[in-house]
Order: sequence, then C-alpha cells, then structure tokens
Amino acid sequence: AQSVTQLGSHVSVSEGALVLLRCNYSSSVPPYLFWYVQYPNQGLQLLLKYTTGATLVKGINGFEAEFKKSETSFHLTKPSAHMSDAAEYFCAVRAMNRDDKIIFGKGTRLHILP
Amino acid sequence: NAGVTQTPKFQVLKTGQSMTLQCAQDMNHEYMSWYRQDPGMGLRLIHYSVGAGITDQGEVPNGYNVSRSTTEDFPLRLLSAAPSQTSVYFCASSPGPMNTEAFFGQGTRLTVV
Repeated sequence: AQSVTQLGSHVSVSEGALVLLRCNYSSSVPPYLFWYVQYPNQGLQLLLKYTTGATLVKGINGFEAEFKKSETSFHLTKPSAHMSDAAEYFCAVRAMNRDDKIIFGKGTRLHILP
Repeated sequence: NAGVTQTPKFQVLKTGQSMTLQCAQDMNHEYMSWYRQDPGMGLRLIHYSVGAGITDQGEVPNGYNVSRSTTEDFPLRLLSAAPSQTSVYFCASSPGPMNTEAFFGQGTRLTVV
C-alpha cells in the first residue's frame, strides 16, 4: 500500500524567498510521484511528475522536485516565491503496477508574505 | 476541449435524501475516480474504475455507490445523505495506468443539512 506525508499544513514565505514544501512517501513497489496545485475554488492541476529516469524534475511556474529514493522523499522547491504562488499543494503517489489508485497527502497551504 | 465535467457545481441536500453527482470526460480515458476533499484531510479516494464495467472501492466508500456503464461517464450516488457527507467532491480521469497523471474536474460542493 502507498501513503504520503506532507510536513506542515501551512507554510509561509516572503515574496522572493525560497519555497520548500516537504513530501515523504511510502510504497511497497517503485512509485510514480506527483505534485498538484489547487487555487481557491478550483480543481487540482498538475505541477510536475516523476516517473523514471532523471530524479530532478522540472514543472510549470518555476517549480521543481527531486526524487530521493534513499530518503523516500519528493520535496517541492522554487527559488523565488511570487504572490501568485499562494495556493494549496498536494503530493501524490501511484504504484508502478496495475493498481491504479493515486493516493494524496493532506496538502500544504502556501502563504506568500509581501 | 471540455476535459472532465462535473455537475452540479453546488448542491444542498436534506438528511436522508439521495442524489447523483455526475462526471463525464471526453478524453477517452480508461481510468476514473472520485475523491472527497475535507479541511485538513486532503483528498480521500471514494471509488475508482479502471474501465467500463469495472469499479472498486477506495479509502472511504461507505454511503456511496458508483457504476461505469460507458467509458465517458462515472456517476457517484449518495443513497441516503448524511451531514458527514458534506464535502467538496472531485472527479478525476487518467489515460491509463503507470506514469500518467490524473485530470480533475472543477468539483461539486455538497452541503447536507
């Protein structure tokens, strides 16, 4: 079975500062990993995903994440925060087999301070 | 391109009433799923389907039924609504297994009074 733990339900950073949102996963088989973003009153949209190959994955809006198997982590970063990055972010895991469930973390709300 | 369409966007039900949340996708995706989103709980999987005629339970299936008679549609039925089912419901679809991500609808905000 898979599970996802996101550390920190709320994270505040100043505009222009580094954004770091933490995600640790548990999976009995090699995982596929995803980060989604949700803006207020909207559905979720994909930021980036890790499947196989390069462990540093670049996504939209300047975000990137690094898959670290030894640490079972997939932390999301952005070098310089913008006000428009204020949203809720979800890490998700999917097993690399026919079991098609995508399991989500509880989310981290990112606040950007002016 | 419509993507994943959910109806209605908002609904208020009385306890004990039944209703169906509709979900349709026009991307010919095999996989569809329903999630509920509650504050501090993230998204929890209710039911999912890997193809027409095939459904399975997720983490929180009690009180909900689904069917998948066509590739395009995946309705979620609340048999007897309870206040605990007040939530935002999201339908998602994906092309197949493995490394594909899910595409989400805009959500249905349901209140049970």
